[in-house]
Amino acid sequence: TQLLEQSPQFLSIQEGENLTVYCNSSSVFSSLQWYRQEPGEGPVLLVTVVTGGEVKKLKRLTFQFGDARKDSSLHITAAQPGDTGLYLCAGDPHSQGGSEKLVFGKGTKLTVNP
Amino acid sequence: GAGVSQSPRYKVAKRGQDVALRCDPISGHVSLFWYQQALGQGPEFLTYFQNEAQLDKSGLPSDRFFAERPEGSVSTLKIQRTQQEDSAVYLCASSLRLGGTQYFGPGTRLLVL
Repeated sequence: TQLLEQSPQFLSIQEGENLTVYCNSSSVFSSLQWYRQEPGEGPVLLVTVVTGGEVKKLKRLTFQFGDARKDSSLHITAAQPGDTGLYLCAGDPHSQGGSEKLVFGKGTKLTVNP
Repeated sequence: GAGVSQSPRYKVAKRGQDVALRCDPISGHVSLFWYQQALGQGPEFLTYFQNEAQLDKSGLPSDRFFAERPEGSVSTLKIQRTQQEDSAVYLCASSLRLGGTQYFGPGTRLLVL
């Protein structure tokens, strides 16, 4: 059973379009993290959301943590080819704060075509 | 500053061979984690260390997998008698403290034939 479900699994869009990817769980997380992974590289942390209902913005990326702390979303505005990559959500459902061993979703593979 | 480094970057092994994968964490980072990432999947936790102490090895898939960090810095993940299902990318991550941000290395891609 996947603790963190991500959707969609694959997404191919044109440059300039907007998109949203989702990360859902039946478990409560003290925090969730979003990573971006490029081929041949390790995941790179984009953001950590901690408070239920929290919204964080990172340039064209907007991250939201659900009120119940069971789900999160990543919205990208005006996607660019440089946004191409595998987007992973992760968290530790057992920690009181911060990350210890992380549980990852399967990821959303995003391709932005010029 | 240097990030997490892993070696080798690629390893091809014949089924039944033993392999050793090395991780050099960021200097001064107390916590070190190993993850396994199968093709098309997210990383899955294997084990982690705080300094030289292995605090959790619940993710190791079998007793063929063994990890050590004898001096609290460099870590080695050893897989004995490799099987085809061991083919994956093995990622190492380190953090300054337990609960801190994890910084990942580029991974070692293992292919078992």
